[in-house]
Amino acid sequence: EIVLTQSPGTLSLSPGERATLSCRASQSVYSNYLAWYQQKPGQAPRLLIHGASSRATGIPDRFSGSGSGTDFTLTISRLEPEDFAVYYCQQYVSPPWTFGQGTKVEIK
Amino acid sequence: QVQLVQSGAEVKKPGSSVKVSCKASGGTFSGYALNWVRQAPGHGLEWMGDINPIFGKANYAQRFQGRVTINADASTSTAYMELSGLTSEDTAVYYCAREGSVHAPFFEYWGQGTLVSVSS
Repeated sequence: EIVLTQSPGTLSLSPGERATLSCRASQSVYSNYLAWYQQKPGQAPRLLIHGASSRATGIPDRFSGSGSGTDFTLTISRLEPEDFAVYYCQQYVSPPWTFGQGTKVEIK
Repeated sequence: QVQLVQSGAEVKKPGSSVKVSCKASGGTFSGYALNWVRQAPGHGLEWMGDINPIFGKANYAQRFQGRVTINADASTSTAYMELSGLTSEDTAVYYCAREGSVHAPFFEYWGQGTLVSVSS
């Protein structure tokens, strides 16, 4: 199965700053079949990005995804107070569909 | 708008089974795979399996093979996940999630989650 490793584990930033989250795959995620989710405490995950770079419906343009092959990035250009949460990447190129372990973006 | 509504929290004894339901409304039930994802307390997300109601065939993650059964009733737009042989390690929130596009299993729609607690 494809193992996804996210880094860093925790990102401490202030509102207005830029956040850069990494997701590295153990083998190539071809066709860029990679998604990003945001999860807040007590809530279900929310789809942000699919196809590595396509924003889901209703997602603000401060969220962007990039990358290919084995290295992918989620960027939040300017953190808003509601963006402090845990972020997960997920591959859907090869079953079993797997998730990274998550990156927590916390207020500094 | 697609909505997924799951059954309520469960408390189970070790060795027993649990069955969680997920009722869909809005959109098309058949044709899109319904997935089950779980999250143990303080941990990440783990995919368990899926089913496409049109074909009725379920796929399971290997680690749950033999313990999990996923099925769907198109007449009621409801999917079910049954997990047997419960242990304390199965204590988790169980989510159903629908793929965003046909044959593209990223998860655009999520249920609210069902907490399953396993304790003697």
